[in-house]
Amino acid sequence: KAGVTQTPRYLIKTRGQQVTLSCSPISGHRSVSWYQQTPGQGLQFLFEYFSETQRNKGNFPGRFSGRQFSNSRSEMNVSTLELGDSALYLCASSLIERTTDTQYFGPGTRLTVL
Amino acid sequence: GDSVTQMEGPVTLSEEAFLTINCTYTATGYPSLFWYVQYPGEGLQLLLKATKADDKGSNKGFEATYRKETTSFHLEKGSVQVSDSAVYFCALILNRDDKIIFGKGTRLHILP
Repeated sequence: KAGVTQTPRYLIKTRGQQVTLSCSPISGHRSVSWYQQTPGQGLQFLFEYFSETQRNKGNFPGRFSGRQFSNSRSEMNVSTLELGDSALYLCASSLIERTTDTQYFGPGTRLTVL
Repeated sequence: GDSVTQMEGPVTLSEEAFLTINCTYTATGYPSLFWYVQYPGEGLQLLLKATKADDKGSNKGFEATYRKETTSFHLEKGSVQVSDSAVYFCALILNRDDKIIFGKGTRLHILP
C-alpha cells in the first residue's frame, strides 16, 4: 500500500507570493491533517479535513487555508507569503477522524520564502 | 496555556548507553500523551502512547510512563543503537477539543 505522498518536496518562493501544497493520503483514508514544522516553534497543528469538511483548526492566520477533495486528496494554500512561513509542512492521513495513533505522515514539503 | 516541554538537544550517547529524554506537560483536564520519532528525511511515526495516568507505553525497546503527579512522560530505553538516531517529539492531545500540541523535539545522536 502506498504511503502518504506530498508534492512538491521542495519549493522556493518570494515574499508576497502564494503557494499551494498537495497531499495524497493513503488509499481509503478520509482524514488529512496538516502541520508546520520550524526550528523555532517546533511542530504545530494547522488544520484537519475529514470528508471534505474542515474538522479542526490550529492557531494560524487566515492566510493559511486548505481544502479536501472528494477523493480525499488535500491542498494547503498560503497567501501573501512571509519570511516566517519558511518551514517543513507535513501532511498526515488517517482512516477516520484524526486520532494520533492512526495517523500516517508524509515526508513533507520544504518551503523556503526569500 | 497548554504546552509540552522537552529537554533540549542534541543528546549524544554511545551505543548501548541508557537513554532518558525528559518531557513535562501543562494541560487542563486529562490529556493523552505520545512520543513520535522522525528519522532523517522521513515523516513522523508514532512511537508509543499512554491515555491515562500510570499507563506505560512501550515499543521497540522504548518506554514511557504517564505520571500525573509530576505531569511527566519521560522516554527511556535501556540500550540504544545507532539506528535510534532521530528526532523525538513528545506530544499531547487535549481530549476536550482533540487538538494536538507537540514539544519542540529532541535530536538524538548515537555513536558506534
